[in-house]
Parts: sequence; C-alpha cells; structure tokens
Amino acid sequence: EVQLVESGGGLVQPGRSLRLSCTASGFTFGDYAMSWVRQAPGKGLEWVGFIRSKAYGGTTEYAASVKGRFTISRDDSKSIAYLQMNSLKTEDTAVYYCTRDRGTVTTDAFDIWGQGTMVTVSS
Amino acid sequence: SYVLTQPPSVSVAPGKTARITCGGNNIGSKSVHWYQQKPGQAPVLVIYYDSDRPSGIPERFSGSNSGNTATLTISRVEAGDEADYYCQVWDSSSDHPGVVFGGGTKLTVL
Repeated sequence: EVQLVESGGGLVQPGRSLRLSCTASGFTFGDYAMSWVRQAPGKGLEWVGFIRSKAYGGTTEYAASVKGRFTISRDDSKSIAYLQMNSLKTEDTAVYYCTRDRGTVTTDAFDIWGQGTMVTVSS
Repeated sequence: SYVLTQPPSVSVAPGKTARITCGGNNIGSKSVHWYQQKPGQAPVLVIYYDSDRPSGIPERFSGSNSGNTATLTISRVEAGDEADYYCQVWDSSSDHPGVVFGGGTKLTVL
C-alpha cells in the first residue's frame, strides 16, 4: 500500500525549532519529488515547499512565507523527507501534510497525502 | 502574485450536477488540479491536468479549463460528495514562482 506517515509535530514556543519527518512506503521514494502543504485551523491549504528527486538535482523551492526559515531535505536510503522549521512564528500553527508530488522540475499534482501532523506555536 | 478565486460555497440536491469554479488570470494556460477534503481528513486528488481522473475516482467527477475559469463538475451528486474542494496551479509568472491554491469551496448536499 502506498503510504506517507508524518511525525514530529507538537507544541513549540515562538522562535524555537522543530523538525517534521515523512516516512514513505509502497513506492520507490527516490523517483518522486515531495511537497509539504499546511493548513491552519479552519483555513485553506497553503503550499510550504518541495524537493525535487535526485534525478532532477534534489533541489528545493519554498513559499515566500517560509523561505529562509524552513528547509526541506530527503534521505532516499530511508525513504524519508524532512521539514526543518526554524524561527517559528505563531502564524506557522497548522496541520502539516507531506505529499507525493508528480512533478519533476516544477511541482505538479499531489497524488498521495499523509494524515498530517499538528504543529502549534505558542508561548 | 497569482490569485485563484473560488466561491465559498455551493449547494446542490442529491442526483443533480454541481459545478465548482476556479477563476484566475488566463488560467486556461495552466494545468489545474483539484482536491476533495472531508472533515478531519487529508485532501484527496480528484482531478489532475485539468480533466484527468486518478484511479479510484468515480467518472462522476470531471474537469475543464479554458480562458479565465477552470471548472470541477460532479454529476449525480451523492451525500458522500459533501466536502471542501480546492483548485491548485503552479504559477511561474510572478517574482516568486510557486504553488497556488484557491480558497476552497464547501459543497453542501441538500
């Protein structure tokens, strides 16, 4: 079964850091780009960023709202994608979803989603 | 930055056809993807590349895209289709390329 499972969410104070993990199974992880999408409570979807597959350089793109604070990385040997979040702000409070991205150089449709992990930034 | 505009809500009776629009400047030149999100669940891809359906998505779901409007059409609506629906594109036209989501449309089955 194709599956993505996020972990690492929780309560964190403003200004602190948190790292989310996304463990993939059921497909060849290294062949795919991966995107992170978040959803603040009661709000719509917001793209956070994505990482290309190694075949396309393994490079990253980020939304303007998180660029310089968040970093996406991947470990293809473990089938895990990471979202390192630094200098967290209260407005980063959201459910964070890991998604499998059909894209290559640019993002495409997100065809597989994890169940999401909640991140609450509060003092 | 690029903006996608969706109606906040659409209501439809069971068995009828629901149409959810997604407006954007020259959106017909972009590939549009649609997601369904039920309460407490992760989104699910229902249409990609304007009108393609992933495996497992009923044929009742279809999409079109032309000019300044993309449309998700759900035929023979069922109670189980009640959900929030989001459109999505990749925008490379602005200073900061990235993914853009519409604000979402809540579909209510009367």
